[in-house]
Amino acid sequence: DAGVIQSPRHEVTEMGQEVTLRCKPISGHNSLFWYRQTMMRGLELLIYFNNNVPIDDSGMPEDRFSAKMPNASFSTLKIQPSEPRDSAVYFCASSDGQGTDTQYFGPGTRLTVL
Amino acid sequence: AQSVSQHNHHVILSEAASLELGCNYSYGGTVNLFWYVQYPGQHLQLLLKYFSGDPLVKGIKGFEAEFIKSKFSFNLRKPSVQWSDTAEYFCAVNDQGGKLIFGQGTELSVKP
Repeated sequence: DAGVIQSPRHEVTEMGQEVTLRCKPISGHNSLFWYRQTMMRGLELLIYFNNNVPIDDSGMPEDRFSAKMPNASFSTLKIQPSEPRDSAVYFCASSDGQGTDTQYFGPGTRLTVL
Repeated sequence: AQSVSQHNHHVILSEAASLELGCNYSYGGTVNLFWYVQYPGQHLQLLLKYFSGDPLVKGIKGFEAEFIKSKFSFNLRKPSVQWSDTAEYFCAVNDQGGKLIFGQGTELSVKP
């Protein structure tokens, strides 16, 4: 299995631009999670989906952030407009939802907003 | 809501020293417990997990963890660390609805 796939791996953009991060979960997994990791705040859960439906988005910092999961094999996290404080590593993780809740993480997208 | 506390923010050891990283969660019931490791510049990888049965769980790379229900603890241990164990270690416990609650992480630095 290829594991969780994220793209791009690195993104450098200027303040005010739209940023879209992409994630392909492990095939057969029905839960998907978006995390943000920074030195200051550590690992934060932004949002998670179960069977393509957003279950908890309480971690989404503000309206500039949005996430979608149009099908079981693809999710996006969008930031519009981006700000320098959004600079972080964004991880996607998936789990099979079979009660063990084991999450498998993707390689992350390192976002730098200038 | 469930919470996870990792006692040490940064641990510095010499090679061959023994390691124990503390992890406590806030309330009991049926829990699934995890330790993840994040090597420098990499993503989180599952080190070991506990669901039920033997409270002493063995993971990859010689790591083990012991679940002590009465203490709400799930401490990570390794008898002899190597320089390659330098990483950040995260304890996690499941919450309702399939979420994992992560601790704040412990950075381990192993001196060669």
